[in-house]
Amino acid sequence: DADVTQTPRNRITKTGKRIMLECSQTKGHDRMYWYRQDPGLGLRLIYYSFDVKDINKGEISDGYSVSRQAQAKFSLSLESAIPNQTALYFCATRGDREYEQFFGPGTRLTVL
Amino acid sequence: GQSLEQPSEVTAVEGAIVQINCTYQTSGFYGLSWYQQHDGGAPTFLSYNALDGLEETGRFSSFLSRSDSYGYLLLQELQMKDSASYFCAVRDAGNKLTFGGGTRVLVKP
Repeated sequence: DADVTQTPRNRITKTGKRIMLECSQTKGHDRMYWYRQDPGLGLRLIYYSFDVKDINKGEISDGYSVSRQAQAKFSLSLESAIPNQTALYFCATRGDREYEQFFGPGTRLTVL
Repeated sequence: GQSLEQPSEVTAVEGAIVQINCTYQTSGFYGLSWYQQHDGGAPTFLSYNALDGLEETGRFSSFLSRSDSYGYLLLQELQMKDSASYFCAVRDAGNKLTFGGGTRVLVKP
């Protein structure tokens, strides 16, 4: 079984729609992260959480919100999607080592 | 804030050695990580340096000089499967990563 799963894997939506991307992990790690990757660029941190009650903004949180429903689940929402939010979105958890992050397979989001 | 610079692309032949440099400017530094990402895939952890010096993991090695705010990833005995993007990332005190723009490595036969 995959350690980090993301749903959906691909999504096409229209401008103004609300959309939720979900992430689940099976390792029981406390730390979870949401990143965005644009073509040919590195990953940028959107939000991160070190516990169910601990939510923090990252570098590019505007236009996004998150929910940590349980230790294993961390969801990312776009309240009103816009075309420049078209990107590849990755969820990550702490890896086996303190300094390592383990990434999910990604969600490709297209906003028309 | 953090900023990292690395070359955008490197091309080499099978069996060759490639060095990917990374320079960073940071307001808080705990260590430098390297991740590999194949097209369509997720980033995967390769190595981490918290102290100055060289870390070796098989064909890959990573180096850090904290005084120079500089590190590199060395890929030896290049194989076709090494064709991928490689990202350096600064780890801060809050266990957050800030990534560079990535270096695309193309390995030719």
